[in-house]
Amino acid sequence: QQQVKQSPQSLIVQKGGISIINCAYENTAFDYFPWYQQFPGKGPALLIAIRPDVSEKKEGRFTISFNKSAKQFSLHIMDSQPGDSATYFCAASITGGGADGLTFGKGTHLIIQP
Amino acid sequence: NAGVTQTPKFRVLKTGQSMTLLCAQDMNHEYMYWYRQDPGMGLRLIHYSVGEGTTAKGEVPDGYNVSRLKKQNFLLGLESAAPSQTSVYFCASIRSGTLLQETQYFGPGTRLLVL
Repeated sequence: QQQVKQSPQSLIVQKGGISIINCAYENTAFDYFPWYQQFPGKGPALLIAIRPDVSEKKEGRFTISFNKSAKQFSLHIMDSQPGDSATYFCAASITGGGADGLTFGKGTHLIIQP
Repeated sequence: NAGVTQTPKFRVLKTGQSMTLLCAQDMNHEYMYWYRQDPGMGLRLIHYSVGEGTTAKGEVPDGYNVSRLKKQNFLLGLESAAPSQTSVYFCASIRSGTLLQETQYFGPGTRLLVL
């Protein structure tokens, strides 16, 4: 049973455009929702994270939007740049920063065309 | 400060062979994790540890064993490797895992091929 569903699998966006990746979860006990960025041959790196007590969090060009009632959250990348081309994973955890481990979505391969 | 390191970077095994993957962190983190990443599957938690001497099962623990004899090291063992264990293995660590501001640091990965 996949507890975190991520879409789309792949996404192509023009430079300067907005990239949007969506995730939906099933377990209402999840209390921590991070997004990770992964470049080829590297480990994932934390991009931004949110808890369900807020509906939006913004850090630079990256924004998480959170809809608790719909059990959905999304990542928006504004003014997308070629350097943003990577694989993005949403994740969820029951505890704080992920003490019991993270449940990941299957990933979105993002390509920003110059 | 090297962060999270993994040894080896790449390994080829024959079916039935055994091996141990080593993860080391120099950040004095309490919690450590082993994930596997397969194409189109995201990362899945194999085992984790909430402190020295402790281990717990994750989502896909079968075929793997772990040990955390020292706080800075987390070992993942494959007693009898199978082709289904061909994957990229990532180790991660976090200081306490209870604060939103905390980051789960990932190592660079170990690519394992089982023939």
